[in-house]
Amino acid sequence: DAKTTQPPSMDCAEGRAANLPCNHSTISGNEYVYWYRQIHSQGPQYIIHGLKNNETNEMASLIITEDRKSSTLILPHATLRDTAVYYCIVRVLTGNQFYFGTGTSLTVIP
Amino acid sequence: EAGVTQFPSHSVIEKGQTVTLRCDPISGHDNLYWYRRVMGKEIKFLLHFVKESKQDESGMPNNRFLAERTGGTYSTLKVQPAELEDSGVYFCASSTLGTGFNEQYFGPGTRLTVT
Repeated sequence: DAKTTQPPSMDCAEGRAANLPCNHSTISGNEYVYWYRQIHSQGPQYIIHGLKNNETNEMASLIITEDRKSSTLILPHATLRDTAVYYCIVRVLTGNQFYFGTGTSLTVIP
Repeated sequence: EAGVTQFPSHSVIEKGQTVTLRCDPISGHDNLYWYRRVMGKEIKFLLHFVKESKQDESGMPNNRFLAERTGGTYSTLKVQPAELEDSGVYFCASSTLGTGFNEQYFGPGTRLTVT
């Protein structure tokens, strides 16, 4: 089952950075942190993943603490289209299934 | 490039009837996954195909569910007979084979309503 804990909901003002926290205190050494999001009525969409170093791509940044027990997904300039449920998932790199958990419902406010 | 497609987008059936959901993965993707979210619950894994073979079907809830992927292309998920608790959204995802991270691309889902 899901090995992560996320706040159930968050708000963010449009144009500001959205910082979504995730706790994964039981993460194993070979498990990665993945972030997916699900915009209403669509399928989940991959955002980013990382092992221990901070990662950045065109969508977001992922900051992983040194002890790897928690991480933060950063959307640098949130837009209304970023309103979605964000899932933090831990899994080995070549694992099969994803355990989605309950996620954080992010609402970007105009 | 077309993404993962699912058909139908919405199905309403009566309890006891049969429904077949279809998933067309991205061309060339050998991995195919089925997930579902039933009302008020989390998205849960159902099963995983590698080409036409079932790699992992540990998430299939019971023997009323049958998944097939003949020829290793599209897949079907049949529910027979459907029960009220089967209502929810069924997602399909696909990815390439190989070592390293292979992103799972999800389809838009099929919303199943059993009345």
